[in-house]
Amino acid sequence: DGGITQSPKYLFRKEGQNVTLSCEQNLNHDAMYWYRQDPGQGLRLIYYSQIVNDFQKGDIAEGYSVSREKKESFPLTVTSAQKNPTAFYLCASTIRGNDYGYTFGSGTRLTVV
Amino acid sequence: GNSVTQMEGPVTLSEEAFLTINCTYTATGYPSLFWYVQYPGEGLQLLLKATKADDKGSNKGFEATYRKETTSFHLEKGSVQVSDSAVYFCALSDRGNEKLTFGTGTRLTIIP
Repeated sequence: DGGITQSPKYLFRKEGQNVTLSCEQNLNHDAMYWYRQDPGQGLRLIYYSQIVNDFQKGDIAEGYSVSREKKESFPLTVTSAQKNPTAFYLCASTIRGNDYGYTFGSGTRLTVV
Repeated sequence: GNSVTQMEGPVTLSEEAFLTINCTYTATGYPSLFWYVQYPGEGLQLLLKATKADDKGSNKGFEATYRKETTSFHLEKGSVQVSDSAVYFCALSDRGNEKLTFGTGTRLTIIP
């Protein structure tokens, strides 16, 4: 079955460490997105990529980095420069050029300890 | 820029009650509109969508109509069930770049 997989589901990180969140899709979708979700604030866009080897900053890109070397994969690195990284991170994908809507992964909850 | 304003939550209703969750938007062009649902600890699932004015999206007993004149996309259901308890997000997408802008979400709790 096609879908979008995020791993791990829970992640604990010590302050000052970088950590990478995985996002893989087998839907043959062109575009992929990373959102951060905090209580009461809805979803905020971190980075997005519409084609391989290209990506753009979203509204809250500071302290994060991404890569898009393969169509199926869009990993997100939370760097030590991100001041408040504890949050629920959601990856999504869609087909370009229509109003298909997004398919979301099940999320990764990152906690800084 | 684009923005979505949703009804403040949380909303608590009894089973079989009528549900309305308000959503209004601001957009520069002619966006597509969506409702997503999120169950505890999970990602978001597309509930319904509408791509042009006066379109009605519907799914699982939920409905929403794209009202260009009032820039609204209110979510309704005639008789809610306990299993409808979740967080509901209204969203719009820019035509051309598929970026979604989300509202802050409305937590819905249905009591038996």
